[in-house]
Amino acid sequence: EAGVTQSPTHLIKTRGQQATLRCSPISGHTSVYWYQQALGLGLQFLLWYDEGEERNRGNFPPRFSGRQFPNYSSELNVNALELEDSALYLCASSGGVRGPLFFGEGSRLTVL
Amino acid sequence: QQQVKQSPQSLIVQKGGISIINCAYENTAFDYFPWYQQFPGKGPALLIAIRPDVSEKKEGRFTISFNKSAKQFSLHIMDSQPGDSATYFCAASRTLGAAGNKLTFGGGTRVLVKP
Repeated sequence: EAGVTQSPTHLIKTRGQQATLRCSPISGHTSVYWYQQALGLGLQFLLWYDEGEERNRGNFPPRFSGRQFPNYSSELNVNALELEDSALYLCASSGGVRGPLFFGEGSRLTVL
Repeated sequence: QQQVKQSPQSLIVQKGGISIINCAYENTAFDYFPWYQQFPGKGPALLIAIRPDVSEKKEGRFTISFNKSAKQFSLHIMDSQPGDSATYFCAASRTLGAAGNKLTFGGGTRVLVKP
């Protein structure tokens, strides 16, 4: 059974541009979580989607947004990129709102 | 109140030794405590998890000890192997709240097992 898949693996953008990251959850999982792992800052919660709806968001500015599609895959958009947005963006899925989280390999975003 | 504090930041242990990582939390509403293992360039992988109604849980060489009154939990890696060299994260969540299983992570512990 395939795990959580994320694309692209690496992405290089310049300041002010927009980045779009994609995530496919484990088959049968309806919840998707996004985390940012910046150097020295650990894993910070970004967003939680369940059944197509945004259920919770972390302490990030509105230029971090996303959506969940009817097939439960998800997209994270980061607008007006800043240098400090450079990080590994991790997607996790769970089979139910209280199930354990399983992470993908992440998308490494570099902002120049 | 949402913080999870993890120590030490790094740890060197000889092959066959015991690695011990500690975490402390403030929010008494937390009811789920997992540990994740992350290798360089990879995503975190769920290792083992515990709920507050249990004081200890063992899976193979990995054991979680949980002290509800002290609001602390720890990971013990017995008979540490070079392949265990990775960064370990503790986490906590309030699964009965409105945030699903939103995990709050500790800062991570980099473990190096010397052969």
